[in-house]
Amino acid sequence: AQSVTQLGSHVSVSEGALVLLRCNYSSSVPPYLFWYVQYPNQGLQLLLKYTTGATLVKGINGFEAEFKKSETSFHLTKPSAHMSDAAEYFCAVSESRGSQGNLIFGKGTKLSVKP
Amino acid sequence: DGGITQSPKYLFRKEGQNVTLSCEQNLNHDAMYWYRQDPGQGLRLIYYSQIVNDFQKGDIAEGYSVSREKKESFPLTVTSAQKNPTAFYLCASSINRDQPQHFGDGTRLSIL
Repeated sequence: AQSVTQLGSHVSVSEGALVLLRCNYSSSVPPYLFWYVQYPNQGLQLLLKYTTGATLVKGINGFEAEFKKSETSFHLTKPSAHMSDAAEYFCAVSESRGSQGNLIFGKGTKLSVKP
Repeated sequence: DGGITQSPKYLFRKEGQNVTLSCEQNLNHDAMYWYRQDPGQGLRLIYYSQIVNDFQKGDIAEGYSVSREKKESFPLTVTSAQKNPTAFYLCASSINRDQPQHFGDGTRLSIL
C-alpha cells in the first residue's frame, strides 16, 4: 500500500535561508510524486510533479524537488526563502499508471518564514 | 477563466440536518474528487468520480453521499449520519486519474 511521510509538521526558517521540506514515500510500483502548497483558507496549488525522466524537477516560485529512488524520498527545496513562502506544503504519491490509483497525501508541513 | 468553484465558502449546520456542498468546474475534466481536511491530518478522500453517472467511495465515505449527473458538477451531501462533520472540504478535478488535480478554494462546515 502507498503511504507518504512528511518529517516535521512545522518548519521555521529565516528570510533568505534555505528551505528544505522532507517527504518519504512507500510504493510497490514506480510512483508519481507531487508537491502542493496551501495558503490559509484556500485550496491546494500544484508546485511541481515527478512522473518519469529527469529526477530533479523544477516547479513554480523557485521550488524544486529531487526524486531519489534508493532513498524513497522526494524532498522539496528552495535556495532562499521569501516571506510569501509561508504556507502549508503537502507531498502526495500516486501509483497511477493507467490503473485505479488515487493520490495519497502526507499530513503536511507548515512553513514559517521569519524576517 | 477556467477553474473550480466551491460554494458556499462557509456553511453552518444544525444537528440532524443534511447539507449539500456545491462543486462546479469549467475545465472539461472527466475526474472529480471530494476531500476532507482536518488540522494535522492532511487530506482524506471521501468520494471520487471518473465519469458522469459513476462514482466510487474513498477512504472515509460513511455519512456522505454524492451525485454526478453532469460532467461539470459533483455536489457532496453531508448527512446527519456523519457524526463529526466539522471540517474543511475540498473539491478537485483532473483530466483523468493520471494527471495532477486542480483544487477549489474549499468550504468550511461548522456545527451550530
